[in-house]
Amino acid sequence: SQQGEEDPQALSIQEGENATMNCSYKTSINNLQWYRQNSGRGLVHLILIRSNEREKHSGRLRVTLDTSKKSSSLLITASRAADTASYFCATEFSGYALNFGKGTSLLVTP
Amino acid sequence: GAGVSQTPSNKVTEKGKYVELRCDPISGHTALYWYRQSLGQGPEFLIYFQGTGAADDSGLPNDRFFAVRPEGSVSTLKIQRTERGDSAVYLCASSLGSGGQDTQYFGPGTRLTVL
Repeated sequence: SQQGEEDPQALSIQEGENATMNCSYKTSINNLQWYRQNSGRGLVHLILIRSNEREKHSGRLRVTLDTSKKSSSLLITASRAADTASYFCATEFSGYALNFGKGTSLLVTP
Repeated sequence: GAGVSQTPSNKVTEKGKYVELRCDPISGHTALYWYRQSLGQGPEFLIYFQGTGAADDSGLPNDRFFAVRPEGSVSTLKIQRTERGDSAVYLCASSLGSGGQDTQYFGPGTRLTVL
């Protein structure tokens, strides 16, 4: 069963705009990770945020985590066409297995 | 360095046949994972290896599925008596150590189609 759930399911924006995706989950976690998957390609790890962290940055990415609400958000600033992909949040609570949501499909148009 | 590789990239088989999917993890990574991704879904955990042993195979859907990692490196996922519902992309990942704090690096996957 899927642990996390991303919102929205699909998002379409223009280059230069910011994209925000949200993730909600059900159980207590050790950490939460965001992955990107381009069409026909494997999953690429973007960022990991631990349960005791509230915000983390990596380049144009900003991730927040609210464990009281069991939710996380991923912000991509100044989006580019190359950011077009599916984005998944994955929670880890067992010590190894990742539990993925269904993903948000992001389309960035020139 | 080389990432996780998986072979074949595509596999088409007939219902009832046996298939093997191979995963070559990143050199030196002790942990190896198999996931399955159906269309429109996120990956679902199948099995986790720490070294040669399967530390957790609770995600395997039934006893038709089996995986091995005899020398602690390459792993093979084996599916017996394939069914149409087994059609999916099978993803392999590896990480440097055990525990969820280590980043899992994914391979490109094997797309299995059961006719």
